[in-house]
Amino acid sequence: KAGVTQTPRYLIKTRGQQVTLSCSPISGHRSVSWYQQTPGQGLQFLFEYFSETQRNKGNFPGRFSGRQFSNSRSEMNVSTLELGDSALYLCASSTWGNYGYTFGSGTRLTVV
Amino acid sequence: QKEVEQNSGPLSVPEGAIASLNCTYSDRGSQSFFWYRQYSGKSPELIMFIYSNGDKEDGRFTAQLNKASQYVSLLIRDSQPSDSATYLCAVNAQGGSEKLVFGKGTKLTVNP
Repeated sequence: KAGVTQTPRYLIKTRGQQVTLSCSPISGHRSVSWYQQTPGQGLQFLFEYFSETQRNKGNFPGRFSGRQFSNSRSEMNVSTLELGDSALYLCASSTWGNYGYTFGSGTRLTVV
Repeated sequence: QKEVEQNSGPLSVPEGAIASLNCTYSDRGSQSFFWYRQYSGKSPELIMFIYSNGDKEDGRFTAQLNKASQYVSLLIRDSQPSDSATYLCAVNAQGGSEKLVFGKGTKLTVNP
């Protein structure tokens, strides 16, 4: 069974640019969540999607947005990148029922 | 603000010893509790979840939950160098959502 697939694995962007990250969940998983991980803040919740609907949103500025498609694949977008957006972005999928997440390998974003 | 607190460590134990990792949470209504292991440069991996007060054992791992004290722990028996990683405690405090709130993790080193 394929795991959670995130693309790309690494990205280097310049301040002010925008970026789109992609996540394909485990087949059959309809819930997708996104987290930002930094050494200082740990894992910070960004969004949760279920059946194309955003169920939860974390305390991030409006520059961070996301969506989920009918096949459960999800994307997140960060506009007007800032240096502080440099982080590991993790996507996680789960089957409904609160059994915990399976994480993807993450996208390492560096903003220069 | 719902919080999950862990000692950042590092926690160092000799090979074969018992490693004890602790976590407290602020939301008394929390329902589900998870332990993730994260190796350096890798994404978090689910190792245990517990819903009810008491102990839950899985191989060398035992999760303990005390809802009255708002306390979750993870015991690793017969610790191995391969257990060296950061251990993340996560709490689901919101019904109808898969959202997890993570602690910042405890770094464990098992010395041969």
